[in-house]
Amino acid sequence: EVQLVESGGGLIQPGGSLRLSCAVSGFTVSSNYMSWVRQAPGKGLEWVSVIYSGGSIYYADSVKGRFTISRDSSKNTLCLQMNSLRAEDTAVYYCARESIWGGYGMDVWGQGTTVTVSS
Amino acid sequence: DIQMTQSPSSLSASVGDRVTITCRASQSISSNLNWYQQKPGKAPKLLIYAASSLQSGVPSRFSGSGSGTDFTLTISSLQPEDFATYYCQQSYSSPRTFGQGTKVDIK
Repeated sequence: EVQLVESGGGLIQPGGSLRLSCAVSGFTVSSNYMSWVRQAPGKGLEWVSVIYSGGSIYYADSVKGRFTISRDSSKNTLCLQMNSLRAEDTAVYYCARESIWGGYGMDVWGQGTTVTVSS
Repeated sequence: DIQMTQSPSSLSASVGDRVTITCRASQSISSNLNWYQQKPGKAPKLLIYAASSLQSGVPSRFSGSGSGTDFTLTISSLQPEDFATYYCQQSYSSPRTFGQGTKVDIK
């Protein structure tokens, strides 16, 4: 079964760090484009970062220099290292697969993990 | 970066209505446009990819059209389960970008 399961969210103080993981089953993380998308409370979807199958990486300006996306082929897992966290990073974070056969639409999503940045 | 602008931001409609949501890109994105549906507390669901291709399992009352900078999502006959928020998203280049969303609620 194709599935994504995020973990690692929680309550963290401003300036702190957190590492999110996305466990992938049913397909190979390194053969796909994988994105992180977040949604602040009551707000719309905000794209955060993508790692292409070839290894190219891109970030939203709002997280560039603070967040790092990576993948672990041995564990078939996608990760997001978040440093220097700010209150405005508070959101539900989703990982998603971009379908290379489907116009790079995000066809598989995790259930989301909640990050709350507050003192 | 490519900006995506949706309109309207919200609309009220009745069951059976035909609903149209538009999305405009700040530059040409060819047909690299996707549409999602999101219900409260749930992850988004892909409805339409590549501007007009229906994702597997999505009812045929959903359709998409457009290319270049102007795109449309149409629901031909609104059903009770379609009340949700809809987002467009460009996959032409990175950074990816979403529209601000269109909330469809009951009139």
